[in-house]
Amino acid sequence: SAVISQKPSRDICQRGTSLTIQCQVDSQVTMMFWYRQQPGQSLTLIATANQGSEATYESGFVIDKFPISRPNLTFSTLTVSNMSPEDSSIYLCSVSQQYNTEAFFGQGTRLTVV
Amino acid sequence: GENVEQHPSTLSVQEGDSAVIKCTYSDSASNYFPWYKQELGKRPQLIIDIRSNVGEKKDQRIAVTLNKTAKHFSLHITETQPEDSAVYFCAAPGEGADGLTFGKGTHLIIQP
Repeated sequence: SAVISQKPSRDICQRGTSLTIQCQVDSQVTMMFWYRQQPGQSLTLIATANQGSEATYESGFVIDKFPISRPNLTFSTLTVSNMSPEDSSIYLCSVSQQYNTEAFFGQGTRLTVV
Repeated sequence: GENVEQHPSTLSVQEGDSAVIKCTYSDSASNYFPWYKQELGKRPQLIIDIRSNVGEKKDQRIAVTLNKTAKHFSLHITETQPEDSAVYFCAAPGEGADGLTFGKGTHLIIQP
């Protein structure tokens, strides 16, 4: 199994600012994803982080709002840009070694926008 | 894209009884169906998964069944214990995506 370290674990941010969340894995992984989980809700896929190329975004999520980097096979960042209170949520990094195999999750970043 | 429906949203059972959670999916090409357990304030963790080449899979008190024709799969927990109390999510591969589409979750409450 993969050990995932996500930073920060929580933050309170002013509206209009940006926050970058880091996801570090203890071993090389093929696939990395970013999800959002609003309080008491399910998980929604934001995008697939592709190494060395632009992320693949799901419907409703755009690169200008959620820029993602993945410089190598163990690290990715998600930025939440120009934040509003509606962005308050838990953001989770997830990794898996192959398509249709177990996905492991980071502990999440609890973001509150005020 | 893939649509995953999960029922019930809340399930309360007596300790020792069985619990069943059901999910349906829309994409007939989906071939991988995991179940995740999420305790309050913690990350989701895989408890069992099934691939479309089998109809049932068991792991101690937990089992998952799959009906590809009807496009539904179910989680069965027998001899429930207090530590089974959590939110359970079913999932399926997102259509055209590498990640997962999750159901809305079931809050399982085990009554002592």
